[in-house]
Amino acid sequence: GAGVSQSPSNKVTEKGKDVELRCDPISGHTALYWYRQSLGQGLEFLIYFQGNSAPDKSGLPSDRFSAERTGGSVSTLTIQRTQQEDSAVYLCASSLVQGRENEQFFGPGTRLTVL
Amino acid sequence: GDSVTQMEGPVTLSEEAFLTINCTYTATGYPSLFWYVQYPGEGLQLLLKATKADDKGSNKGFEATYRKETTSFHLEKGSVQVSDSAVYFCARGSQGNLIFGKGTKLSVKP
Repeated sequence: GAGVSQSPSNKVTEKGKDVELRCDPISGHTALYWYRQSLGQGLEFLIYFQGNSAPDKSGLPSDRFSAERTGGSVSTLTIQRTQQEDSAVYLCASSLVQGRENEQFFGPGTRLTVL
Repeated sequence: GDSVTQMEGPVTLSEEAFLTINCTYTATGYPSLFWYVQYPGEGLQLLLKATKADDKGSNKGFEATYRKETTSFHLEKGSVQVSDSAVYFCARGSQGNLIFGKGTKLSVKP
Protein backbone atom coordinates (compact mmCIF):
# COMPACT_ATOMS: atom_id res chain seq x y z
CA GLY A 1 0.00 0.00 0.00
CA ALA A 2 0.96 3.66 -0.19
CA GLY A 3 3.40 5.02 2.32
CA VAL A 4 3.42 8.35 4.09
CA SER A 5 3.36 11.20 1.60
CA GLN A 6 4.31 14.82 2.14
CA SER A 7 3.89 17.93 0.06
CA PRO A 8 5.49 20.00 -1.21
CA SER A 9 8.81 18.19 -1.47
CA ASN A 10 10.63 21.53 -1.55
CA LYS A 11 9.53 24.96 -0.41
CA VAL A 12 11.47 28.19 -0.72
CA THR A 13 10.01 31.20 1.03
CA GLU A 14 10.98 34.64 2.14
CA LYS A 15 11.55 35.55 5.75
CA GLY A 16 8.33 36.66 7.40
CA LYS A 17 5.98 34.67 5.17
CA ASP A 18 3.73 31.86 6.43
CA VAL A 19 4.08 28.30 5.11
CA GLU A 20 1.92 25.19 5.27
CA LEU A 21 3.32 21.69 5.01
CA ARG A 22 1.07 18.73 4.40
CA CYS A 23 1.27 15.11 5.49
CA ASP A 24 -0.86 12.16 4.36
CA PRO A 25 -0.29 9.24 6.74
CA ILE A 26 -0.68 5.58 5.91
CA SER A 27 -4.36 4.69 5.79
CA GLY A 28 -5.55 3.27 9.09
CA HIS A 29 -2.67 4.65 11.14
CA THR A 30 -4.04 6.47 14.16
CA ALA A 31 -0.81 8.12 15.32
CA LEU A 32 0.91 10.90 13.37
CA TYR A 33 4.18 12.66 14.21
CA TRP A 34 6.10 15.68 12.97
CA TYR A 35 9.88 15.96 13.26
CA ARG A 36 12.42 18.47 12.06
CA GLN A 37 15.85 17.50 10.66
CA SER A 38 18.40 20.27 10.72
CA LEU A 39 22.08 20.19 9.82
CA GLY A 40 24.06 19.57 12.97
CA GLN A 41 20.91 19.14 15.08
CA GLY A 42 19.76 15.72 14.03
CA LEU A 43 16.10 14.84 14.28
CA GLU A 44 13.96 16.88 16.62
CA PHE A 45 10.45 15.91 17.72
CA LEU A 46 7.84 18.60 17.18
CA ILE A 47 4.32 17.27 17.81
CA TYR A 48 2.25 14.12 17.67
CA PHE A 49 -1.41 13.23 17.33
CA GLN A 50 -3.04 10.06 18.59
CA GLY A 51 -6.60 9.45 17.47
CA ASN A 52 -8.96 12.04 18.91
CA SER A 53 -6.79 12.86 21.91
CA ALA A 54 -5.31 16.28 22.41
CA PRO A 55 -1.98 16.48 20.57
CA ASP A 56 1.35 16.49 22.40
CA LYS A 57 2.81 19.86 21.40
CA SER A 58 5.75 19.72 23.77
CA GLY A 59 8.35 19.78 20.99
CA LEU A 60 7.14 22.86 19.13
CA PRO A 61 9.99 25.40 19.27
CA SER A 62 7.83 28.55 19.39
CA ASP A 63 4.26 29.76 19.11
CA ARG A 64 4.88 30.44 15.41
CA PHE A 65 4.53 26.70 14.89
CA SER A 66 1.17 24.94 14.93
CA ALA A 67 -0.31 21.78 13.51
CA GLU A 68 -3.71 20.29 13.01
CA ARG A 69 -5.04 16.97 11.92
CA THR A 70 -8.40 16.94 10.20
CA GLY A 71 -10.66 13.94 10.39
CA GLY A 72 -7.98 11.86 12.02
CA SER A 73 -6.04 11.64 8.77
CA VAL A 74 -4.27 14.43 6.90
CA SER A 75 -2.15 16.83 8.94
CA THR A 76 -0.91 20.33 8.22
CA LEU A 77 2.07 21.93 9.93
CA THR A 78 1.95 25.72 9.76
CA ILE A 79 4.88 28.01 10.41
CA GLN A 80 3.99 31.69 10.72
CA ARG A 81 6.37 34.56 10.09
CA THR A 82 9.16 32.21 9.02
CA GLN A 83 12.71 32.86 10.13
CA GLN A 84 15.96 31.68 8.55
CA GLU A 85 16.55 29.29 11.43
CA ASP A 86 13.35 27.49 10.42
CA SER A 87 15.18 26.16 7.34
CA ALA A 88 15.25 22.37 7.69
CA VAL A 89 13.70 19.18 6.42
CA TYR A 90 10.33 18.57 8.04
CA LEU A 91 9.48 14.91 8.39
CA CYS A 92 6.12 13.33 9.04
CA ALA A 93 5.66 9.81 10.35
CA SER A 94 2.72 7.61 11.22
CA SER A 95 2.19 4.44 13.19
CA LEU A 96 -0.66 2.06 13.64
CA VAL A 97 -1.15 3.23 17.20
CA GLN A 98 0.94 5.35 19.49
CA GLY A 99 3.04 3.13 21.66
CA ARG A 100 6.52 2.22 22.76
CA GLU A 101 6.91 -0.71 20.41
CA ASN A 102 5.23 0.54 17.32
CA GLU A 103 7.29 1.26 14.25
CA GLN A 104 6.97 4.74 12.86
CA PHE A 105 6.88 4.99 9.06
CA PHE A 106 8.41 8.16 7.70
CA GLY A 107 7.55 10.25 4.69
CA PRO A 108 10.19 11.68 2.33
CA GLY A 109 10.08 15.07 4.01
CA THR A 110 9.61 18.67 2.94
CA ARG A 111 12.78 20.71 2.54
CA LEU A 112 12.05 24.25 3.68
CA THR A 113 14.41 27.05 2.79
CA VAL A 114 13.80 30.49 4.26
CA LEU A 115 15.68 33.24 2.45
CA GLY B 1 15.18 14.91 29.71
CA ASP B 2 15.52 11.76 27.65
CA SER B 3 18.38 11.72 25.19
CA VAL B 4 20.39 9.52 22.86
CA THR B 5 24.08 9.88 22.16
CA GLN B 6 25.72 8.22 19.21
CA MET B 7 29.21 8.39 17.86
CA GLU B 8 29.88 11.23 15.50
CA GLY B 9 30.85 10.51 11.97
CA PRO B 10 31.58 10.40 9.29
CA VAL B 11 32.77 6.82 9.33
CA THR B 12 34.62 5.58 6.26
CA LEU B 13 35.27 1.86 5.83
CA SER B 14 36.43 -0.45 3.11
CA GLU B 15 34.09 -3.11 1.82
CA GLU B 16 33.95 -6.23 4.05
CA ALA B 17 35.22 -4.33 7.08
CA PHE B 18 33.59 -4.71 10.51
CA LEU B 19 31.26 -1.92 11.57
CA THR B 20 30.39 -0.66 15.02
CA ILE B 21 28.38 2.49 15.65
CA ASN B 22 28.07 3.25 19.34
CA CYS B 23 24.82 4.43 20.87
CA THR B 24 23.92 5.14 24.49
CA TYR B 25 20.64 6.35 25.93
CA THR B 26 19.37 7.93 29.11
CA ALA B 27 18.07 5.30 31.46
CA THR B 28 14.66 6.80 32.28
CA GLY B 29 12.11 4.02 32.32
CA TYR B 30 12.30 1.01 30.00
CA PRO B 31 12.28 2.44 26.51
CA SER B 32 12.15 0.58 23.25
CA LEU B 33 15.29 1.15 21.20
CA PHE B 34 15.60 1.53 17.45
CA TRP B 35 18.07 1.97 14.64
CA TYR B 36 16.79 3.86 11.61
CA VAL B 37 18.67 4.25 8.33
CA GLN B 38 18.48 6.98 5.72
CA TYR B 39 19.91 6.00 2.34
CA PRO B 40 20.96 8.83 0.00
CA GLY B 41 17.90 10.56 -1.42
CA GLU B 42 15.48 8.41 0.54
CA GLY B 43 13.38 8.74 3.67
CA LEU B 44 14.07 7.27 7.08
CA GLN B 45 13.30 3.61 7.45
CA LEU B 46 13.43 1.27 10.40
CA LEU B 47 16.46 -1.01 10.36
CA LEU B 48 15.92 -2.92 13.60
CA LYS B 49 14.49 -2.60 17.08
CA ALA B 50 14.56 -4.14 20.55
CA THR B 51 11.89 -3.68 23.16
CA LYS B 52 13.41 -5.06 26.36
CA ALA B 53 16.73 -5.75 28.03
CA ASP B 54 18.93 -8.40 26.39
CA ASP B 55 16.79 -8.43 23.23
CA LYS B 56 18.79 -8.52 20.02
CA GLY B 57 17.41 -6.78 16.97
CA SER B 58 18.70 -7.89 13.60
CA ASN B 59 18.10 -7.14 9.94
CA LYS B 60 20.14 -7.17 6.71
CA GLY B 61 23.19 -8.47 8.57
CA PHE B 62 23.05 -5.68 11.15
CA GLU B 63 22.62 -6.46 14.85
CA ALA B 64 22.17 -4.49 18.05
CA THR B 65 21.68 -5.78 21.60
CA TYR B 66 19.71 -3.89 24.26
CA ARG B 67 22.16 -3.60 27.16
CA LYS B 68 20.44 -2.23 30.24
CA GLU B 69 23.54 -2.40 32.44
CA THR B 70 25.50 -0.13 30.11
CA THR B 71 22.46 1.74 28.66
CA SER B 72 23.77 0.95 25.20
CA PHE B 73 22.44 -0.25 21.86
CA HIS B 74 25.48 -0.42 19.61
CA LEU B 75 24.97 -1.26 15.95
CA GLU B 76 27.25 -3.88 14.41
CA LYS B 77 27.76 -5.58 11.08
CA GLY B 78 30.42 -8.13 10.35
CA SER B 79 31.06 -7.26 6.71
CA VAL B 80 29.82 -3.99 5.24
CA GLN B 81 28.98 -3.44 1.60
CA VAL B 82 29.04 -0.32 -0.55
CA SER B 83 25.24 -0.41 -0.50
CA ASP B 84 25.31 0.12 3.29
CA SER B 85 26.49 3.71 2.76
CA ALA B 86 23.87 5.80 4.53
CA VAL B 87 23.17 7.82 7.65
CA TYR B 88 22.28 5.73 10.70
CA PHE B 89 20.16 7.07 13.56
CA CYS B 90 19.80 5.52 16.98
CA ALA B 91 16.52 6.31 18.74
CA ARG B 92 14.66 5.58 21.96
CA GLY B 93 10.97 5.67 22.61
CA SER B 94 9.90 8.47 24.90
CA GLN B 95 6.36 9.41 25.92
CA GLY B 96 5.01 8.02 22.68
CA ASN B 97 7.41 9.66 20.27
CA LEU B 98 11.04 9.01 19.37
CA ILE B 99 14.18 10.73 20.61
CA PHE B 100 16.93 10.46 18.01
CA GLY B 101 20.67 10.69 18.12
CA LYS B 102 22.31 13.11 15.70
CA GLY B 103 23.07 10.44 13.14
CA THR B 104 26.26 8.81 11.92
CA LYS B 105 27.16 8.97 8.25
CA LEU B 106 28.74 5.79 6.95
CA SER B 107 30.63 5.66 3.67
CA VAL B 108 31.81 2.29 2.40
CA LYS B 109 34.48 2.29 -0.29
CA PRO B 110 34.91 -0.59 -2.76
